[in-house]
Amino acid sequence: AQKVTQAQTEISVVEKEDVTLDCVYETRDTTYYLFWYKQPPSGELVFLIRRNSFDEQNEISGRYSWNFQKSTSSFNFTITASQVVDSAVYFCALSEARRGAQKLVFGQGTRLTINP
Amino acid sequence: DVKVTQSSRYLVKRTGEKVFLECVQDMDHENMFWYRQDPGLGLRLIYFSYDVKMKEKGDIPEGYSVSREKKERFSLILESASTNQTSMYLCASRTGTSGNTGELFFGEGSRLTVL
Repeated sequence: AQKVTQAQTEISVVEKEDVTLDCVYETRDTTYYLFWYKQPPSGELVFLIRRNSFDEQNEISGRYSWNFQKSTSSFNFTITASQVVDSAVYFCALSEARRGAQKLVFGQGTRLTINP
Repeated sequence: DVKVTQSSRYLVKRTGEKVFLECVQDMDHENMFWYRQDPGLGLRLIYFSYDVKMKEKGDIPEGYSVSREKKERFSLILESASTNQTSMYLCASRTGTSGNTGELFFGEGSRLTVL
């Protein structure tokens, strides 16, 4: 069975600090996809990134970066020079790569608070 | 601009009432999903649909049913609401053509309180 674990329930940092959100996953599939979503206070989840299991290159998008390591089944998310607008709940998710509509399995979420 | 619209942001119902949560998407997506979000549990899948009139159970379907009569609309039904169904309900959709690689588009959520 698939499982996603975000061990950090809440994180609070001061603005401009770097912060890393951890994500560990379990799956028996050799082909799968990993996602990160952001849920701001408004409630609507916003897609941030998708990675497939064959691509272990790290990715950087502005202040955001993602570190995917199959050896440790981790897909961690780092925000550099955090800003108050980064305050949100962040979810890591995993999807099988099979035909048909497969479900996304989400982690418990990490509530990130950036203090001014 | 893509849009997933949930009919009600906040609902208060009494135990035993029948509850309908409506979700409409304007992106012509094949796949639609209903999740519930609870503190410490993340998002858990209730039901999903990959085509009109097609549905599959998710991880926690007990106490719920769904209806997909039209491609753009996916309804979640609580036949007899109970207090343990007090939660935030999130609808999402995704194109089916890209299989599982496509991102989910979410609505703003419906916060249901059952008294």
